[in-house]
Amino acid sequence: DQQVKQNSPSLSVQEGRISILNCDYTNSMFDYFLWYKKYPAEGPTFLISISSIKDKNEDGRFTVFLNKSAKHLSLHIVPSQPGDSAVYFCAARIGTASKLTFGTGTRLQVTL
Amino acid sequence: DSGVTQTPKHLITATGQRVTLRCSPRSGDLSVYWYQQSLDQGLQFLIQYYNGEERAKGNILERFSAQQFPDLHSELNLSSLELGDSALYFCASSERGPGNEQFFGPGTRLTVL
Repeated sequence: DQQVKQNSPSLSVQEGRISILNCDYTNSMFDYFLWYKKYPAEGPTFLISISSIKDKNEDGRFTVFLNKSAKHLSLHIVPSQPGDSAVYFCAARIGTASKLTFGTGTRLQVTL
Repeated sequence: DSGVTQTPKHLITATGQRVTLRCSPRSGDLSVYWYQQSLDQGLQFLIQYYNGEERAKGNILERFSAQQFPDLHSELNLSSLELGDSALYFCASSERGPGNEQFFGPGTRLTVL
């Protein structure tokens, strides 16, 4: 039972353009969402998060949008840079619970 | 560098064997989490320890066990290994308990032949 889904295994974007990574969830109890970035041979690194009381959170080039009615969130990266090439994981949590539920990841490649 | 260390980086073993994975959390972090990432899957939460005590349990098999020692490092023990246990095992730590950002180690890649 995949409660957090990232339906696009990969995405290729040109440098300078916008990257949009999508994530869907099925459990309406999730109220906190996170994006992690992972480079090869490294562990995931926290990127940005959003609480369910908000619909947008911005941090520099990264913005996360949350649409609770659609149970959908997206990560926008503008402008995309070659160093953004990595696997991006969406994760969700219920309250302050320990458990993070992760999606399967989207591999982003930013080309020159 | 997240400050979380995991050893070994790679482990190759045979079915039926037992292995121990080790994690040292960031300095000052009291919580340790273990996750398993199988091929093309997301990270699956296994278990959390807080200051030496088990705090939360996820999809951890009975063949697996973990503990957190007084110096706060943690070990994940995997026994009676099966081919399907081949995966990346990540450890994460956070300052206190739930609700705090988790910092991940580089992982241990386990291959069961």
